[in-house]
Amino acid sequence: GAVVSQHPSWVICKSGTSVKIECRSLDFQATTMFWYRQFPKQSLMLMATSNEGSKATYEQGVEKDKFLINHASLTLSTLTVTSAHPEDSSFYICSARVSYNEQFFGPGTRLTVL
Amino acid sequence: GENVEQHPSTLSVQEGDSAVIKCTYSDSASNYFPWYKQELGKGPQLIIDIRSNVGEKKDQRIAVTLNKTAKHFSLHITETQPEDSAVYFCASSRSGGSYIPTFGRGTSLIVHP
Repeated sequence: GAVVSQHPSWVICKSGTSVKIECRSLDFQATTMFWYRQFPKQSLMLMATSNEGSKATYEQGVEKDKFLINHASLTLSTLTVTSAHPEDSSFYICSARVSYNEQFFGPGTRLTVL
Repeated sequence: GENVEQHPSTLSVQEGDSAVIKCTYSDSASNYFPWYKQELGKGPQLIIDIRSNVGEKKDQRIAVTLNKTAKHFSLHITETQPEDSAVYFCASSRSGGSYIPTFGRGTSLIVHP
């Protein structure tokens, strides 16, 4: 299957700092990427849909000024958590759509805000 | 919008037994149904999928069945092994670039050796 990478795999930061997470499709071009947030023992919560070359579409309740998404190329989307606070600590997962809605996920990024 | 219900939330089986996870969906226009396996601390991995023009699909010990009339689909794992222990998510989607998959709440499968 298609391979999606995420970097970093885990990050610890101080409250008030910003953190950038990269999501790359390694062997295919993805016109659409998704960003999810997952709390322990819960399902995937869609945060936003990212389309190459256009602004991301955020789900209701997700602060677009706090979670900045940039989909600059067909293989790279980034999520920046601005002014992170402890409540932003979570597991963030990206995915890329290949075709016919086939969706491949990255390995996830564990964010811990102190 | 689409609503996907997944049951059970937890499933505990003995090694070698079969495991079945069921999902129902509400949107009759949905036509793509993937299943994902998520191990602890990792991202979900696509393990099998089925499209609405097919009633059943198999891949070694894993099979998925789809009943379009009843709007439900199931994941079947035979001869379970401890390494099958994980959280499994079903999803429902329509073809087309603007449609976003809807996920079930997940099933934690525990296979006891």
